Amino acid sequence: DAGVIQSPRHEVTEMGQEVTLRCKPISGHNSLFWYRQTMMRGLELLIYFNNNVPIDDSGMPEDRFSAKMPNASFSTLKIQPSEPRDSAVYFCASSLLNYLSRDTGELFFGEGSRLTVL
Amino acid sequence: AQKITQTQPGMFVQEKEAVTLDCTYDTSDPSYGLFWYKQPSSGEMIFLIYQGSYDQQNATEGRYSLNFQKARKSANLVISASQLGDSAMYFCAMRGTMEYGNKLVFGAGTILRVKS
Repeated sequence: DAGVIQSPRHEVTEMGQEVTLRCKPISGHNSLFWYRQTMMRGLELLIYFNNNVPIDDSGMPEDRFSAKMPNASFSTLKIQPSEPRDSAVYFCASSLLNYLSRDTGELFFGEGSRLTVL
Repeated sequence: AQKITQTQPGMFVQEKEAVTLDCTYDTSDPSYGLFWYKQPSSGEMIFLIYQGSYDQQNATEGRYSLNFQKARKSANLVISASQLGDSAMYFCAMRGTMEYGNKLVFGAGTILRVKS
């Protein structure tokens, strides 16, 4: 079975450029999460969606960041304009959350997108 | 606020010995789940083990077990018979329901190095 698929795996861009990161969650999962990982701040939750609807975007750093989930099989995280401090690994993760069952709601992570902003 | 604390930035263990990685948490949510993930140097996040707040028994998965002490709000990971391949970063995480929706919040992590 295909896992969570992220693209690009690596992105190097110059300050001020627009960056778009893409994620395809596991088919059938109803929750999608975007995390950012840096040495200084660890793993930070940026935003998450339930059934394609953004539930909590309180972790989005500022207006330069935006995320969309137009359908159950695709999400994007956009940074415009990018800055050097945005350099990080961005993870997408998905899960199947069922409050009525004992499903663990384990998050399945993609391999991450390593972003470098010069 | 929901908080996960891993007090050990780094740990060393001799190959074939057991090691305990500490994790404490704080939440007012009566129902929650606790997770451990492994991140090797290659960067991927690997799910190891899960403990539900209402589970009566400690979770076990192969060489991994979770020492869950609800009253103390601790969820320590025990790795038995350490192997060189266990060298990695280990993250404790918690997922609540009412208070925090279903988002997973991570601790700062513990780097484990297994010595031969």
